[in-house]
Amino acid sequence: DAMVIQNPRYQVTQFGKPVTLSCSQTLNHNVMYWYQQKSSQAPKLLFHYYDKDFNNEADTPDNFQSRRPNTSFCFLDIRSPGLGDAAMYLCATSRDLVSQPQHFGDGTRLSIL
Amino acid sequence: GESVGLHLPTLSVQEGDNSIINCAYSNSASDYFIWYKQESGKGPQFIIDIRSNMDKRQGQRVTVLLNKTVKHLSLQIAATQPGDSAVYFCAETQNYGGSQGNLIFGKGTKLSVKP
Repeated sequence: DAMVIQNPRYQVTQFGKPVTLSCSQTLNHNVMYWYQQKSSQAPKLLFHYYDKDFNNEADTPDNFQSRRPNTSFCFLDIRSPGLGDAAMYLCATSRDLVSQPQHFGDGTRLSIL
Repeated sequence: GESVGLHLPTLSVQEGDNSIINCAYSNSASDYFIWYKQESGKGPQFIIDIRSNMDKRQGQRVTVLLNKTVKHLSLQIAATQPGDSAVYFCAETQNYGGSQGNLIFGKGTKLSVKP
């Protein structure tokens, strides 16, 4: 059974129209991460939550926000999607920050019209 | 720039042969390394990890070797099967500073298995 679940698997939105991607986990892990992955590239970390503490990567655009209302759920909000934001968005979890593997969901592929 | 990279972007092997995927890293302070397998349309799947106090770790059909002297990591897959076809990423974590625990991914190697 999937332990990191992302919904939807495919999302289409219009240029500039806000969109929210969802992630849930059944692992009860402390840390949840959001990555952006473009074709033939490695995943790029956007930000992560350690419990309720939010940690933003320095080069993550302000257009990207996140919410973690409880341990199990984390959301990625893109306030005004541009064509360059079309990508696969991956959610991952880990028990702790140090020396722990991250477990990934199967991603949401976002298309921008 | 990235501190983790791969020597070969693509690797083609015959079914049944052993595969070796290589990875170089530049930060000698990194102390935890992971290999991921990513199939088309799916998220990265954890394969095996190794801590810097080890040189070798074995799993089912996979072995990871760590050479800290030359900052090199490799993944060996025994008796490669068609289901092993995927992109393989190495990743390191730096367990210090503001980026504690953040994965730094290599560029990825695409493994193709010929029947």
